[in-house]
Amino acid sequence: GEDVEQSLFLSVREGDSSVINCTYTDSSSTYLYWYKQEPGAGLQLLTYIFSNMDMKQDQRLTVLLNKKDKHLSLRIADTQTGDSAIYFCAENPTGGYQKVTFGTGTKLQVIP
Amino acid sequence: ETGVTQTPRHLVMGMTNKKSLKCEQHLGHNAMYWYKQSAKKPLELMFVYNFKEQTENNSVPSRFSPECPNSSHLFLHLHTLQPEDSALYLCASSQAGLAMNEQYFGPGTRLTVT
Repeated sequence: GEDVEQSLFLSVREGDSSVINCTYTDSSSTYLYWYKQEPGAGLQLLTYIFSNMDMKQDQRLTVLLNKKDKHLSLRIADTQTGDSAIYFCAENPTGGYQKVTFGTGTKLQVIP
Repeated sequence: ETGVTQTPRHLVMGMTNKKSLKCEQHLGHNAMYWYKQSAKKPLELMFVYNFKEQTENNSVPSRFSPECPNSSHLFLHLHTLQPEDSALYLCASSQAGLAMNEQYFGPGTRLTVT
């Protein structure tokens, strides 16, 4: 079955770049997502990438997709204390509503 | 109210109690989901409803019973739970038929089973 793996914890200093990594198993994944969960809140879609893309950039966020290695990463430039949250990687093998598989989440701690 | 709301936000219940979690979405979506979030584990999909019909049940124990009376409301009925069921229960909704399937999450109900 599908499996999404992430490291549990990342600590960076304010102003540095953060890189959160994810590996997935389903090579047919159509969409891959990064969701952000702030304390006391549900998950919120941060960005996504379609499987025919290698990279997507959105302001301070850069998503890199290596389909050969089934590796997804999220880079946050100039990390701020407000970026402290849990970041979930997720894959959607077929597109559509039914089956999105999430990872464990990576807790990002930003040190002032 | 906007987005996805969940009540209660916190719930403590004994193993012999019966309680229900409620979720409501104000986004006009037609698919709704229940997830279980436990520390150090992947976010676990429990149930999916599409147009009020249950389309996914991920081998969830029968002590969890979902109900979807209409496409805006979703309930999770709980009875004779175990301590290992303590977790954050998240509800989400999305618009079925859109390939990208962005899911909108509620803030969750923090459940503690004593």
